Amino acid sequence: GAVVSQHPSRVICKSGTSVKIECRSLDFQATTMFWYRQFPKQSLMLMATSNEGSKATYEQGVEKDKFLINHASLTLSTLTVTSAHPEDSSFYICSARDPGYEQYFGPGTRLTVT
Amino acid sequence: ELKVEQNPLFLSMQEGKNYTIYCNYSTTSDRLYWYRQDPGKSLESLFVLLSNGAVKQEGRLMASLDTKARLSTLHITAAVHDLSATYFCAVVFNDMRFGAGTRLTVKP
Repeated sequence: GAVVSQHPSRVICKSGTSVKIECRSLDFQATTMFWYRQFPKQSLMLMATSNEGSKATYEQGVEKDKFLINHASLTLSTLTVTSAHPEDSSFYICSARDPGYEQYFGPGTRLTVT
Repeated sequence: ELKVEQNPLFLSMQEGKNYTIYCNYSTTSDRLYWYRQDPGKSLESLFVLLSNGAVKQEGRLMASLDTKARLSTLHITAAVHDLSATYFCAVVFNDMRFGAGTRLTVKP
């Protein structure tokens, strides 16, 4: 089956610094990738949709200048959390959509901002 | 705007009992998914339902879809402890939106 990887799986950073999370589709090309955020004991909330080679579309309430998304190739999307604060601590999950419109989820990245 | 409502949010079951989780959605969609999530983990795909009347079963779990009522159910038969997890339904419109999740605890 299709595999989506994320790196790192866990990251701890200090408040005010930036952190980059990578999402890769390992065995298929993904023209569209999605970034979700999940706070403890809550559901997954869509943050943004990224299409290869174009600007990401952000959901209402998500700061595009804070959460920078780059979908530079058909197998890689990155999410950079800039000037991170403790309230950005969360579980970030990416998802990649294959040409058949099936979505596959990555294993998630646990971000802790101290 | 697509809304996905799931209930109950919490479910405490005894082993051996049956129960159903419900998922209602607000906009016509061409596919509905059920996922399982264990603590600290990402999503595990359980079922994808593509058409009205679709029914899929895997072990003690059975999912069904009624597109006219915009309702899907996840039925648990003779629950066992290993089924304890959080279950999400998700509906695809332009993108995938999730219900709030049902936290299932199966007690001996």
